[in-house]
Amino acid sequence: QVQLQESGPGLVKPSGTLSLTCAVSGGSISSNNWWIWVRQPPGKGLEWIGEIYHSGTTNYNPSLKSRVTISVDKSKNQMSLKLTSVTAADTAVYYCARPFAGAAFDIWGQGTMVTVSS
Amino acid sequence: QSVLTQPPSASGTPGQRVTISCSGSSSNIGKYTANWYQQFPGTAPKLLIYSNNQRPSGVPDRFSVSKSGTSASLAISGLQSEDEADYYCAAWDDSLNGPVFGGGTKLTVL
Repeated sequence: QVQLQESGPGLVKPSGTLSLTCAVSGGSISSNNWWIWVRQPPGKGLEWIGEIYHSGTTNYNPSLKSRVTISVDKSKNQMSLKLTSVTAADTAVYYCARPFAGAAFDIWGQGTMVTVSS
Repeated sequence: QSVLTQPPSASGTPGQRVTISCSGSSSNIGKYTANWYQQFPGTAPKLLIYSNNQRPSGVPDRFSVSKSGTSASLAISGLQSEDEADYYCAAWDDSLNGPVFGGGTKLTVL
């Protein structure tokens, strides 16, 4: 059974860079077509950040594209998210997930809360 | 502001049938199937229904969906207290070239 686990700093300073990792266990990151990042601000809805194909091809939400980089490390069986120039509006729970058809994501990590504050 | 529009809240009594709507446009629900997620406080969303009433293993058939034009609905029959959660709709969107979500509906079982 594939499992996902997000990790990274829970506090980032304004104008800094948010860096998170999503470790894949119970399977290979190369076995699925795409992997995604989604975030959820406190008390609000879900927002797609972007996705990456195991070959490294990426697709980002246009609203975040200038600040986002998603990458894959096959040797570590994980993917990473970097979001630059963060503000308080980037405070959210960040999830990685596995899509298997369009907007159907069947496996999610438990999520990691990131707060942007000085 | 979410791309898909859901009512912020819904409620029902045990045993009742409740529906939650999700309104989109021709670039998302009008063209693709809506998927639904259930989320309990402090936990990750869980896929509830996908691809025309397909349910992952373990999801009871009390949950069903329908679609008309650019809108979709989630129906929960035989409402149970354990159904009290937040529900989100999602669909692929051609304009975004990515998935879009509704703002979520908080379901209260009275």
